[in-house]
Amino acid sequence: AQSVTQPDIHITVSEGASLELRCNYSYGATPYLFWYVQSPGQGLQLLLKYFSGDTLVQGIKGFEAEFKRSQSSFNLRKPSVHWSDAAEYFCAVGARGSQGNLIFGKGTKLSVKP
Amino acid sequence: EPEVTQTPSHQVTQMGQEVILRCVPISNHLYFYWYRQILGQKVEFLVSFYNNEISEKSEIFDDQFSVERPDGSNFTLKIRSTKLEDSAMYFCASSGDRGLSNEKLFFGSGTQLSVL
Repeated sequence: AQSVTQPDIHITVSEGASLELRCNYSYGATPYLFWYVQSPGQGLQLLLKYFSGDTLVQGIKGFEAEFKRSQSSFNLRKPSVHWSDAAEYFCAVGARGSQGNLIFGKGTKLSVKP
Repeated sequence: EPEVTQTPSHQVTQMGQEVILRCVPISNHLYFYWYRQILGQKVEFLVSFYNNEISEKSEIFDDQFSVERPDGSNFTLKIRSTKLEDSAMYFCASSGDRGLSNEKLFFGSGTQLSVL
């Protein structure tokens, strides 16, 4: 069955520290891969997406993610976290040709210490 | 940046009652979606809608659910007879192009539905 696993429910990092949020997926074929962020009271905002080509993708707000087919992973990284990055982060996969049917992970809540 | 607007932000209803959740997608978008997130669980796809028809729906989207674009601006989700397990945050989304590869989905901030 198709699934997305985000093993970390809650992560706390210090401002200025690096960040890596983990995402593993189970999918029959190479899926489309996404990271979304949700700040309190806001909707989901797309950070970045991977469809094909270069396995390292750059997104907004200084985030990047690397697709590793051998590990079925699509981890999100940021070299230096800002206090405004505190939010909930969702990894999602979608089938090629799908009309918006995204499968989401449970999310990782990021807290940032001053 | 343009926004998807959802009203109300929180709706309370009695079990068995009909409820309509409203969304105003981004004005030039053509594809519309509903997702939901039960507390503590994953965001789940419900339905996608294009050209006044359902394009794709999940197993969750049974006969109790319906969607409509009643005019040129609104996109609604109706639950005919609400159950306790329908309590969730419901997210509307829209996109300007077909399929996941061509356009990003813009999400609203959600309507928290509480069924008592």
